[in-house]
Amino acid sequence: DADVTQTPRNRITKTGKRIMLECSQTKGHDRMYWYRQDPGLGLRLIYYSFDVKDINKGEISDGYSVSRQAQAKFSLSLESAIPNQTALYFCATSDRGLAGAQETQYFGPGTRLLVL
Amino acid sequence: GQNIDQPTEMTATEGAIVQINCTYQTSGFNGLFWYQQHAGEAPTFLSYNVLDGLEEKGRFSSFLSRSKGYSYLLLKELQMKDSASYLCAVKPGNNRKLIWGLGTSLAVNP
Repeated sequence: DADVTQTPRNRITKTGKRIMLECSQTKGHDRMYWYRQDPGLGLRLIYYSFDVKDINKGEISDGYSVSRQAQAKFSLSLESAIPNQTALYFCATSDRGLAGAQETQYFGPGTRLLVL
Repeated sequence: GQNIDQPTEMTATEGAIVQINCTYQTSGFNGLFWYQQHAGEAPTFLSYNVLDGLEEKGRFSSFLSRSKGYSYLLLKELQMKDSASYLCAVKPGNNRKLIWGLGTSLAVNP
């Protein structure tokens, strides 16, 4: 079984619709992240959470919101989807750890989102 | 600012050796990661360096020089399945977030 799961894996929606992408993990990690990946732009951090009560904006949080429902669940919402939010979205987790190696990020399989 | 540079594309031949370079400028340094990402799939962790020197893991090795802000990933005995993008990421000092390079797309030809 996958340690980090994302639903849905693919989604097509229309401009203006609200959608939610969900992420669950069984790794027992405290830290969770949402990234988007676009060709030529690499991975860009949207939001991250270091525990259930800690939510932080990343470099491109405008147009997105998140909810950390539990240690194992971190959801990303697009309040009103627009075409330039078409991208591949990844959830990742990492352990707290004092040593850098323990902060290795482990990624979910991704959600491919198309906004028409 | 904080920046990571990697070559955009590289090509190599099956069975050969290839070195993928990564240079970085960050405020402090707390480790460097290499990830492999096949097209349309998730990045997967390959290696981590925090001290200077070479770390070897089977066919893959990673080297770090902190004084030069430089790392490389060495892939030996290349296989077709090594065709992928290789991402370099740095954890700056006193920072909660990784800084990601744009990745190097490696094509392995027969």
